[in-house]
Amino acid sequence: EVQLVESGGGLVQPGRSLKLSCLASGFTFSNYGMNWIRQAPGKGLEWVASISSSSSYIYYADTVKGRFTISRDNAKNTLYLQMTSLRSEDTALYYCARRAYSGDVDYWGQGVMVTVSS
Amino acid sequence: DIVLTQSPALAVSLEQRATISCKTSQNVDNYGISYMHWYQQKPGQQPKLLIYEGSNLASGIPARFSGSGSGTDFTLTIDPVEADDIATYYCQQSKDYPLTFGSGTKLEIK
Repeated sequence: EVQLVESGGGLVQPGRSLKLSCLASGFTFSNYGMNWIRQAPGKGLEWVASISSSSSYIYYADTVKGRFTISRDNAKNTLYLQMTSLRSEDTALYYCARRAYSGDVDYWGQGVMVTVSS
Repeated sequence: DIVLTQSPALAVSLEQRATISCKTSQNVDNYGISYMHWYQQKPGQQPKLLIYEGSNLASGIPARFSGSGSGTDFTLTIDPVEADDIATYYCQQSKDYPLTFGSGTKLEIK
């Protein structure tokens, strides 16, 4: 069974940093591209970042470019999102999500909440 | 960026057909594949993939769900609608980065 389990969320002050992790199991992690997708409270889905299976290709939304860094450790089956210079508008539920062949997302984690507030 | 436009809400009666549309600002087809996908999200849950590549049913999804369309106009159809289908439905394109989602259509029972 495919499982994606996020961790590392919490309450953080504006301007501070936070690092999210996503532990994957039930599939060969190193064969799949991965995404971070977020959802602000009561809002829709917003793609944040993607990383290819070998980390060769990385993409960011303009809203986080230069502040967030996506990475992965295939030996540890773990995806990361390093978030710096956090803003109130980064407050959201962050989903770790597996990229399927055509760029659809076939598995989602339960999400981890990040709240940016003083 | 490719913008995806969905109607905010749709009210249908149980056992009737629901059609949810998604229009894109640019063509999302390439080499015969539509890079359009549909998700269902129930309150308090993560999204679930329903349809990929415009019309392919994802694993474990009942055949009441179907997808159609090409180019810039796509439709998710639920026929017949059941009470368990009450949710918000999102379309997503993966033809180009940034990946983008529609704003979601909330399905309500009339």
